[in-house]
Amino acid sequence: QSVLTQPPSVSGAPGQRVTISCTGSRSNIGAGYDVHWYQQLPGTAPKLLIHDNINRPSGVPDRFSGSKSAASASLAITGLQAEDEADYYCQSYDSSLSGSVFGTGTKVTVL
Amino acid sequence: EVQLVQSGAEVKKPGESLKISCKGSGYRFSDYWIGWVRQMPGKGLEWMGIIYPDDSETTYSPSLQGQVTISVDKSISTAYLQWSSLKASDSAMYYCARRQSGTSWFDPWGQGTLVTVSS
Repeated sequence: QSVLTQPPSVSGAPGQRVTISCTGSRSNIGAGYDVHWYQQLPGTAPKLLIHDNINRPSGVPDRFSGSKSAASASLAITGLQAEDEADYYCQSYDSSLSGSVFGTGTKVTVL
Repeated sequence: EVQLVQSGAEVKKPGESLKISCKGSGYRFSDYWIGWVRQMPGKGLEWMGIIYPDDSETTYSPSLQGQVTISVDKSISTAYLQWSSLKASDSAMYYCARRQSGTSWFDPWGQGTLVTVSS
C-alpha cells in the first residue's frame, strides 16, 4: 500500500519545467526521513534519480533536482526533453510500517 | 560493475510453489541489504521486504507477511523470493534492489522477473 501521494500525471512542452510533489505523513517524510526519487522508463526497471532529498548519483543530468520540506518533497525537471517521458516514484522510510514506502507514481508526458 | 541479475520469467498454475532469485556481483554481497519490490500490471511499486545477507535479518511489509518468504545464500551471493502456494493475484513483475546500511535508497536494481499465475 502506498502512503506517499503523488499526482497521477504531469505534462510539459520540450524545454519547460515540471515539478512532481510527494506528500507523506508524520510517520515518514514528516518524521524527518529522507526522500528518494526513481525514474522508470517504459518496460525497464526503476533507476535511482535523487537520493537523500537532493543528491544526484553520478551520471544523472543536473536537469533533475530534488527538495524537501515538512511532510512533503518535490522533484523538478528543467529543460524537459522527450527522453524524460517516464514514470517517477518517490520513496521514503515509514516508522509505522518499519520499512520502505513508495509513492503512488507520476507519469510525465512530453507534449 | 555492480549488478543484480534476476532469474527468468515464470509461468505457473494457482497452488504451485515458486522460488525466484537475484544474484549480486561486483561488490561484497554480505555487506548490503537486498530488498524486493512488486509491480502489478499497470500499477506502481510496492515494497515487499528486505534481507541482510550477512546474518539473514529479514523484515517484511505487514501487508505481505506470511504470503512470501525472503531468504539468502551468501555463499553464492544470491537472494530469493519464494511462494508456497501461488494465487492469480501474485502475477506481477518482481524486482530486487540493493540498499546500503545506514541509508534507505535502493541502487542498483535487478532487471525484474515476470511471474504469471494462470490456470
